[in-house]
Amino acid sequence: DGGITQSPKYLFRKEGQNVTLSCEQNLNHDAMYWYRQDPGQGLRLIYYSQIVNDFQKGDIAEGYSVSREKKESFPLTVTSAQKNPTAFYLCASSGTAYNSPLHFGNGTRLTVT
Amino acid sequence: DAKTTQPPSMDCAEGRAANLPCNHSTISGNEYVYWYRQIHSQGPQYIIHGLKNNETNEMASLIITEDRKSSTLILPHATLRDTAVYYCIVRVGAAGNKLTFGGGTRVLVKP
Repeated sequence: DGGITQSPKYLFRKEGQNVTLSCEQNLNHDAMYWYRQDPGQGLRLIYYSQIVNDFQKGDIAEGYSVSREKKESFPLTVTSAQKNPTAFYLCASSGTAYNSPLHFGNGTRLTVT
Repeated sequence: DAKTTQPPSMDCAEGRAANLPCNHSTISGNEYVYWYRQIHSQGPQYIIHGLKNNETNEMASLIITEDRKSSTLILPHATLRDTAVYYCIVRVGAAGNKLTFGGGTRVLVKP
């Protein structure tokens, strides 16, 4: 089945460590996105990429970095510069057709202590 | 992207239709209305979208007013599994364009 895979579902790290969250899609979508969600809140955009080797900052990019070396993959690194990294992270992708909807993975819950 | 306004919460009875309103009074001509829902601890699920005509699929119906300043998502026969947070979003329909999420409506379907 086509879809978006985020791994792992739960991730624990010590403060001061960088951590990379995986996102893979087999939908042949050009565009990919990373969102962050805090408890009881809506989603906020971190980074997005419309094509391989290109990406743009979203609304809360500080303390995060991404790469887009392959169409299928869009990993997100949460760096030690991110002040409040504990959150639920969601990856999404969308096709190139006009008004193509975003499809989401099931998220990675990151806890930093 | 235009902002949307949704009620923070609503209840509905199992088996009845659930009508979820959304106000998007500043929507521009090239913005589509999208609806997603999120069940606790899962990724948002796409439901439906439209530009100006009413739309229906296997999950729901979308009614957009003639002036496009508001819309209603209709779940025709709500089930307990429809309990979720529902997000109404307006977005320019360009390929690869981002979604901006608001607070959504927390819908509780009661037996």
